[in-house]
Amino acid sequence: KAGVTQTPRYLIKTRGQQVTLSCSPISGHRSVSWYQQTPGQGLQFLFEYFSETQRNKGNFPGRFSGRQFSNSRSEMNVSTLELGDSALYLCASSLTGGLNNEQFFGPGTRLTVL
Amino acid sequence: DQQVKQNSPSLSVQEGRISILNCDYTNSMFDYFLWYKKYPAEGPTFLISISSIKDKNEDGRFTVFLNKSAKHLSLHIVPSQPGDSAVYFCAASSYNTDKLIFGTGTRLQVFP
Repeated sequence: KAGVTQTPRYLIKTRGQQVTLSCSPISGHRSVSWYQQTPGQGLQFLFEYFSETQRNKGNFPGRFSGRQFSNSRSEMNVSTLELGDSALYLCASSLTGGLNNEQFFGPGTRLTVL
Repeated sequence: DQQVKQNSPSLSVQEGRISILNCDYTNSMFDYFLWYKKYPAEGPTFLISISSIKDKNEDGRFTVFLNKSAKHLSLHIVPSQPGDSAVYFCAASSYNTDKLIFGTGTRLQVFP
């Protein structure tokens, strides 16, 4: 069974630009969560999508948004990029979300904002 | 406000000895705790979990201890192996939020 895939793996952008990251969950998984990992902050929860609906949201500004398609693939968009947005962005998929479903993480997209 | 804290950013242990990774939390509503392991260029992988109704959970070389009164959990790895060298994240959640709150991670290095 193929794992969670994320594209692109690396991305370099400049301040003010916007970026879209993609996540393909494990086949059959309907929940996709997004996390931001930065040194000193660990993994911070961005949001979770289930059946094309945002079900949970972390404490990030509105510049961070996402969506999920009918095939469960998810995209995350960050607009008006700031230097502090440089991070590793991880997505995780699970069957239905919730604590009883193990999350499987992708390798991440490393975003560098110059 | 860091609700889950891993105060040791790094730990170095000799092969064969015990590794103890610590995690503290502040939210008394947390009732489910997990440990993840992360190798470079890979996403975190689930290692072991514990519910608040237990104070210990064991899986092979890995044991997680939970002290609810102290709001503290620890991961013991015995014996430590070089392949255990990775970053370890603890995470916590509560059944009424379903969101995982991660700590900042501890980099474990096991040397021969």
